[in-house]
Amino acid sequence: EAEVAQSPRYKITEKSQAVAFWCDPISGHATLYWYRQILGQGPELLVQFQDESVVDDSQLPKDRFSAERLKGVDSTLKIQPAELGDSAMYLCASSLGRTEETQYFGPGTRLLVL
Amino acid sequence: GQNIDQPTEMTATEGAIVQINCTYQTSGFNGLFWYQQHAGEAPTFLSYNVLDGLEEKGRFSSFLSRSKGYSYLLLKELQMKDSASYLCAVTTPLVFGKGTRLSVIA
Repeated sequence: EAEVAQSPRYKITEKSQAVAFWCDPISGHATLYWYRQILGQGPELLVQFQDESVVDDSQLPKDRFSAERLKGVDSTLKIQPAELGDSAMYLCASSLGRTEETQYFGPGTRLLVL
Repeated sequence: GQNIDQPTEMTATEGAIVQINCTYQTSGFNGLFWYQQHAGEAPTFLSYNVLDGLEEKGRFSSFLSRSKGYSYLLLKELQMKDSASYLCAVTTPLVFGKGTRLSVIA
């Protein structure tokens, strides 16, 4: 069964350092999402791509976060500089087409900023 | 904007039935998802309701009333492995509630 791949699974970094997360969606899925999930909360959408284009990045803290999906396949989410409050689970999800369709989540990257 | 409310925690006994409610207020609505999330793991899809009514899938059923802005997830014959968080999410765009942490006890 096809799955969404993410790496690394765990990342510990010090504040002010740069971190990057990678996601490879299910093959053929046009839409890719990055979410942040703080412990005890639901996932919060950071950015949504349709192919290589950003559809929604209204909740992305653009002063420190950036995301790209250059060839419309895999994607990278970067934080620079990391802050203590960025400690969370970063989830990537993909869907075949539009937002109304089922999203399939990867295993996530758990980030701890010290 | 969108506002989604779910109970924070619930406890139920193995073998019993539990109903997890979700109410929502949204400026635009296409459908409602339920996801299951075990601790430290990614959410997994359970159901998607677009039309009013009950949809059954094995031990899990999901109900939607669009006019009331209300949904519930019904879990029957509870098993210990059902202990998890259950996330209600509405679209469009997709917005998640905070989740309901269900504990199944013997």
